[in-house]
Amino acid sequence: QSALTQPASVSGSPGQSITISCTGTSRDIGNYKLVSWYQQHPGKAPKLMIYEAAKRPSGVSNRFSGSKSGSAASLTISGLLAEDEADYYCCSYAGNSTYVFGTGTKVTVL
Amino acid sequence: QVQLVESGGGVVQPGTSLRLSCAASGFTFSSYAMHWVRQAPGKGLEWVAFTSYDGRTKNYGDPVKGRFTISRDSSENNLYLQMNSLRGDDTATYYCARENFGYSSGYGTPNWGQGTLVIVTS
Repeated sequence: QSALTQPASVSGSPGQSITISCTGTSRDIGNYKLVSWYQQHPGKAPKLMIYEAAKRPSGVSNRFSGSKSGSAASLTISGLLAEDEADYYCCSYAGNSTYVFGTGTKVTVL
Repeated sequence: QVQLVESGGGVVQPGTSLRLSCAASGFTFSSYAMHWVRQAPGKGLEWVAFTSYDGRTKNYGDPVKGRFTISRDSSENNLYLQMNSLRGDDTATYYCARENFGYSSGYGTPNWGQGTLVIVTS
């Protein structure tokens, strides 16, 4: 159960698009489509942004999109807004009812 | 609306035990799998434990396996985390979280509690 690998930080200017990567292994992302993404603002509980690699829960802006290829997943935020500044975590099913989170990425809006 | 309220956190000494509770309301608790997730101060999210909707399937993260036990009481709509042999690196805010869809798992957790802080220190 090693944590999935994410870049420590990603930044972009308002209106730009950014992509956060999440690298796993054949035991987790590579073997299942069950990848989710969470946004967390300081002092708040995480918020589900993407599930099943590319699906958006109702109420989540369509500026957020997800994809998966092989043992990696990614989250793209388009039309970056100041309110998107937060920490983002990926999470994958890893078999046998176990899960693993990513190391987390701090998104800064310049 | 869905509400999850954790309780039971506090300051404890290494080697002792603590039981966390998560009171669920606003949905049919017995139909949903549940998780515990923790976050050490200033650190990232860490998955701790899972229980299926019926409590028959459970599993744990490696750091807590053999020390923590997840359970649920669907008659009282409560989720529990029994934590034994606590260590300093168990210090964290503990969140309970509900699966996205009933009778399934792996589809993310759209509902989280506010968290309860556990501090393990001598």
